Amino acid sequence: DVKVTQSSRYLVKRTGEKVFLECVQDMDHENMFWYRQDPGLGLRLIYFSYDVKMKEKGDIPEGYSVSREKKERFSLILESASTNQTSMYLCASSLQGLGYTFGSGTRLTVV
Amino acid sequence: QQQVKQSPQSLIVQKGGISIINCAYENTAFDYFPWYQQFPGKGPALLIAIRPDVSEKKEGRFTISFNKSAKQFSLHIMDSQPGDSATYFCAASAKNNNAGNMLTFGGGTRLMVKP
Repeated sequence: DVKVTQSSRYLVKRTGEKVFLECVQDMDHENMFWYRQDPGLGLRLIYFSYDVKMKEKGDIPEGYSVSREKKERFSLILESASTNQTSMYLCASSLQGLGYTFGSGTRLTVV
Repeated sequence: QQQVKQSPQSLIVQKGGISIINCAYENTAFDYFPWYQQFPGKGPALLIAIRPDVSEKKEGRFTISFNKSAKQFSLHIMDSQPGDSATYFCAASAKNNNAGNMLTFGGGTRLMVKP
């Protein structure tokens, strides 16, 4: 089975801090995604990557950036964390865009 | 602006009953419609999916009904069990030049099945 591992289950950060969320997948998938999950808003796409060093903005990229230096690793960066970025962050990977496999999520609280 | 609208937001069903979750979409380019199931503390996992060339797909107690003309699809859970209690997301995808099919998710439905 494909495994998508997110490095932290829970994080608490201060406003203005730079935050790194890490995601690693072990099945050589080309595509990787970062979503945030908020009650009533479902899953909203922040950024995705379809190859090493390639990235595209999703629906809500403001305040975020990403890095994909290796195929298996996709990092989400909050340049200057704000309280409205308190959320559950989900990483996913897929082969040719179908059959997304999600990680267990990182619950980030910005205080 | 949600491209996939899901209802209801929450649902309580008695054990043995039928759970029904509905989704509607606008983008006629959508060509793949999966449902994901998420348990607390876990990421969503693919449950069942359908393509618009069929009107229904059944896997065990789970059935997707699809109405192309109305641009609606729904998930039916027959003989609902307490273990089905989870959040369910519908999704739809259209082709992206770089990443194949890209999923757009509905807002989610929190299902509770009472024993």
